[in-house]
Amino acid sequence: EPEVTQTPSHQVTQMGQEVILRCVPISNHLYFYWYRQILGQKVEFLVSFYNNEISEKSEIFDDQFSVERPDGSNFTLKIRSTKLEDSAMYFCASSEEAGGAYNEQFFGPGTRLTVL
Amino acid sequence: DAKTTQPPSMDCAEGRAANLPCNHSTISGNEYVYWYRQIHSQGPQYIIHGLKNNETNEMASLIITEDRKSSTLILPHATLRDTAVYYCIVSDYNNNDMRFGAGTRLTVKP
Repeated sequence: EPEVTQTPSHQVTQMGQEVILRCVPISNHLYFYWYRQILGQKVEFLVSFYNNEISEKSEIFDDQFSVERPDGSNFTLKIRSTKLEDSAMYFCASSEEAGGAYNEQFFGPGTRLTVL
Repeated sequence: DAKTTQPPSMDCAEGRAANLPCNHSTISGNEYVYWYRQIHSQGPQYIIHGLKNNETNEMASLIITEDRKSSTLILPHATLRDTAVYYCIVSDYNNNDMRFGAGTRLTVKP
């Protein structure tokens, strides 16, 4: 069964450093998402991406964050200058279609980001 | 601006049906009800969704009241592997994002 994959599984970085989290969505999917979950808290939507541009973003997704689909398979989340509060599990998801009737999203296993 | 209300926790005996309620009294006509679950710290897993009719798939059944103000997710024969946090999410027809709340922590006990 096709699945979303994410690398690395755990990333440790120093405050102020840039990190890039990588995701490989399911191959025939067209819509891509990033979510995060701070330890012990709820899953929070960050951004959705379609046709090489951001379609929606939350208030969390500020100028420190960016997303890119550099080739036909990868989808990345970049945090330019990490802060302690960026420590969280970051989930990538993808879906074949979007919108309320067809929004079945498939999530990856997550990347745990630890900012020291 | 929580759109759904769920009990924080529930227990269920293994082999029994687990009935997880969700209140979405302010749901509008073009909003769908989605259910996801998260086992431990894994990525959320889609379970089922519906608009107004009851739905069933290999994982669960979704019962939506006629006024659409509440719904119930039914796991017909719960197993220990169904222990997870279950999220009820209302998603607009035009929205792509899933807005997760606190969910219901279901514990299936032997």
